[in-house]
Amino acid sequence: DQQVKQNSPSLSVQEGRISILNCDYTNSMFDYFLWYKKYPAEGPTFLISISSIKDKNEDGRFTVFLNKSAKHLSLHIVPSQPGDSAVYFCAASSRDYKLSFGAGTTVTVRA
Amino acid sequence: KAGVTQTPRYLIKTRGQQVTLSCSPISGHRSVSWYQQTPGQGLQFLFEYFSETQRNKGNFPGRFSGRQFSNSRSEMNVSTLELGDSALYLCASSAGTALAAGELFFGEGSRLTVL
Repeated sequence: DQQVKQNSPSLSVQEGRISILNCDYTNSMFDYFLWYKKYPAEGPTFLISISSIKDKNEDGRFTVFLNKSAKHLSLHIVPSQPGDSAVYFCAASSRDYKLSFGAGTTVTVRA
Repeated sequence: KAGVTQTPRYLIKTRGQQVTLSCSPISGHRSVSWYQQTPGQGLQFLFEYFSETQRNKGNFPGRFSGRQFSNSRSEMNVSTLELGDSALYLCASSAGTALAAGELFFGEGSRLTVL
């Protein structure tokens, strides 16, 4: 069963605007959350993470928000740039040496 | 320093055959994980090794197996290939010293096509 869900398979946004990617999870044991970015023919690369003891983490243009009561997290990219066009995966970790990934959201930034 | 290296990058097999994929982690990393990526399914966890010991295994049939060597290099094997095994197989490495899987460093993957 899919414990991490990204319900939007795709997102199109104009350059300079905000991209908001959403992710929901079902396992209350998850205590660490990450976002990965993947370009075609490359492996995923780590983008940003957040611990369950926080509700926000910011790194440059990227901010991740965590709402534990709703079991929901989101990634904000401001401003969106053409190089941000990629597949974004949400991932979550409990203390079992593995990550559970969502199905991914394909972001297209239009010029 | 060199990243995670996976070989081969592409391969084509027929049903019933077996395949072995190789992964060399980042120098100094002792944890190696394997994930299967298929369209619409995201990355599905296969197994994780640390110092030659499997610490966790995903919900895949016994046809999927792996091992890790003393130099931290890892291999995964899929026997009796089925059409549904066609996927991108990703290897990731990390220091692996924490219970919780943190930032993983991924290779470029091995693209397996089963005909």
